[in-house]
Amino acid sequence: KNEVEQSPQNLTAQEGEFITINCSYSVGISALHWLQQHPGGGIVSLFMLSSGKKKHGRLIATINIQEKHSSLHITASHPRDSAVYICAVREYGNKLVFGAGTILRVKS
Amino acid sequence: DGGITQSPKYLFRKEGQNVTLSCEQNLNHDAMYWYRQDPGQGLRLIYYSQIVNDFQKGDIAEGYSVSREKKESFPLTVTSAQKNPTAFYLCASSSPFLGQRRDLYTGELFFGEGSRLTVL
Repeated sequence: KNEVEQSPQNLTAQEGEFITINCSYSVGISALHWLQQHPGGGIVSLFMLSSGKKKHGRLIATINIQEKHSSLHITASHPRDSAVYICAVREYGNKLVFGAGTILRVKS
Repeated sequence: DGGITQSPKYLFRKEGQNVTLSCEQNLNHDAMYWYRQDPGQGLRLIYYSQIVNDFQKGDIAEGYSVSREKKESFPLTVTSAQKNPTAFYLCASSSPFLGQRRDLYTGELFFGEGSRLTVL
C-alpha cells in the first residue's frame, strides 16, 4: 500500500464545475504539498499546509491532521486547469513522498 | 529571478554510457532532491541532500550517484548500471522544516523543468 493515496486517478469535468481531489496518507508528516504538473512536465507548488485551510484564487486546500486527509478544491473550473495534480507529504526528516497524481481534464 | 535550472532538457544516451544531469539553484535552499517519473506513475525519490557534503539514498538509488559539493548544485549521474534509465527526471529544492520553530518555518518546494533521458 502506498503511503500517499490520491483519488480519483482520472477526472473529467465540464467548465464551471466544482472539483475535489482527495489525498490520504498513512505516516506522520510535518506538512503536505499540493502540486500542479502541466503537459510539458514542469511542476509548480500550489499549496503547502500543516493545518487548516488555504485559499488562492479559485483554489482551496484543506487538511485534517487527525484523519490524515487533505482535499484540493477548484471552484468554477476552466479548461486551463487541466493538468496533473499531485499530493506530496513531508515526513519528519525532510523526506518527501508523492502520490501518483490525479489527471484532470476540464472540457469547455 | 531565483529558481532551479536543470540541464539538458532532452538527452539521448547509448547503452553502457554514463550521463550526468545538472541541477542548479540560486534560492539558497539547503535541501535538494532528485526524482524519477515514469509514464502513469508518481514521482519516485532517487537521492536527497539536506546539507552540503551530505546526501541520502531514496527509494530507487541503485544505478544512480550524486554529489553535493556546493549548496547550489546537486548533479545526478545515471550510470550504466541503471537497467531502465529512460525516464523524466525532476530536481527540486526546499528550505527545511526546523521543528517547532515556526518563525523559521518555510519549506516551500520548487522544481526544475525536468530532463528527459532516452536510452537508444
